[in-house]
Amino acid sequence: GESVGLHLPTLSVQEGDNSIINCAYSNSASDYFIWYKQESGKGPQFIIDIRSNMDKRQGQRVTVLLNKTVKHLSLQIAATQPGDSAVYFCAEKGSSGSARQLTFGSGTQLTVLP
Amino acid sequence: DTGVSQDPRHKITKRGQNVTFRCDPISEHNRLYWYRQTLGQGPEFLTYFQNEAQLEKSRLLSDRFSAERPKGSFSTLEIQRTEQGDSAMYLCASSDTYNEQFFGPGTRLTVL
Repeated sequence: GESVGLHLPTLSVQEGDNSIINCAYSNSASDYFIWYKQESGKGPQFIIDIRSNMDKRQGQRVTVLLNKTVKHLSLQIAATQPGDSAVYFCAEKGSSGSARQLTFGSGTQLTVLP
Repeated sequence: DTGVSQDPRHKITKRGQNVTFRCDPISEHNRLYWYRQTLGQGPEFLTYFQNEAQLEKSRLLSDRFSAERPKGSFSTLEIQRTEQGDSAMYLCASSDTYNEQFFGPGTRLTVL
């Protein structure tokens, strides 16, 4: 069945370093992917999205890479800051049979060390 | 503030009681979603509205759960005869037809 999973549950990086958070998906029918950031006690916050007809998309300090061959996407955060500490979720749309609902992975806790 | 709002932010109830949560989406968003999130997990889809029509329901949405969006604006999620397993964060999100879903802060439910 479809699933969206993350490689590591936790990631610690030094302030100023780059962070890479990985995500694997199992259904080749997935056609839209989103990264969300969730801080403690808050709802998920949209970071960046990418459609399956692209392999890279850049935002402000963030880049998402999509490798459809191995069903893998990653979120790269440049010059990681303390405010980036949060749980990061990848989510996909399209594999669940619904064109609208999102299927989330279980999250990676990013900790930025001073 | 033009974001998604949810009320209450926290709810503690005893097993067997009914609870109701409210979500106010971003104005002009025609789509509204409810998700449930347990500790350490990603949100799980519960149900989806387009305007006032409930178009999709997850298998997670048991008969004790009911959601409404009577005027196509705010929505309510009611849980009847709450069980301890219902303890979770209930998240609401909204979107327009083409773009990403914006989430509210959630309602944290604790069933004692």
